[in-house]
Amino acid sequence: QVQLQQSGAELAKPGTSVKLSCKASGYTFTSYYIYWVKQRPGQGLEWIGYIYPGNGGTYYSEKFKGKATFTADTSSSTAYMLLGSLTPEDSAYYFCARPANSGFDYWGQGVMVTVSS
Amino acid sequence: DIVLTQSPALAVSLGQRATISCRASESVRSSMHWYQQKSGQQPKLLIYGASNLASGVPARFSGSGSGTDFTFTIDPVEADDIATYYCQQSRNDPDTFGAGTKLELK
Repeated sequence: QVQLQQSGAELAKPGTSVKLSCKASGYTFTSYYIYWVKQRPGQGLEWIGYIYPGNGGTYYSEKFKGKATFTADTSSSTAYMLLGSLTPEDSAYYFCARPANSGFDYWGQGVMVTVSS
Repeated sequence: DIVLTQSPALAVSLGQRATISCRASESVRSSMHWYQQKSGQQPKLLIYGASNLASGVPARFSGSGSGTDFTFTIDPVEADDIATYYCQQSRNDPDTFGAGTKLELK
C-alpha cells in the first residue's frame, strides 16, 4: 500500500535551515508528483509546491520561492524539502502528499517545525 | 492565484444534512476537491473532480458544482464527521485551498 513517511519534529533557531524528508513506499516513486503543504497551528492549509521525481522538475508557489527547495533521491524513494532562513513564521506542520487521480489521496503524517531562539 | 471562499463554520444536528459551499474567484472547471481534517491528523481526501467519491469514502458524502460554485454535502451527519472541511482547486498552479469550514454540532 502507498505510504509516505515523514521525518521527526524539528526545533531550529532563526536564520538556520531544516531539511524535511518524505519517504515513499508501495508505488513507483518516479511516476508521481510529491507535493508539500504548510499548516500553522490552528490555521488552514497552504500549498507550497511540488517536485516530479521522474525528472526532478519543481514548481514553487510565489510565496515560497527562496524559502523552500525540493529535491528527490530516487535511490531511496525519498523527497526532501529544505526550508532556509527560518523565522518564527515558518513554525508550522509540513505535510507531503501525493495524488492518485486528482486531489491528494495520500498524505504523510506531517512534521512539526518549531523556530525559536 | 485563485481565491477560494468558504464560510468559516456550520452548526448542524446529528442525522441532518450539512452543506458547505466553496466559491472560486475564477473558473476552475471541475478541478475542485474536498478534504476532511480532524484535530491532530493529516487531511483526508473525500471528493475529487468536484463530484467523485474518493476510495473508501461513505456515500453520505457528496460534491457538486463546476466553474466557480461548488457544494459539499454530508447527509446524514454522524458524530464522527465533526471536523474541518477544506476545498482545494487544482485547475491552475499554484493550487489553492479554501480557509476551511469547521463543522460543529448544534
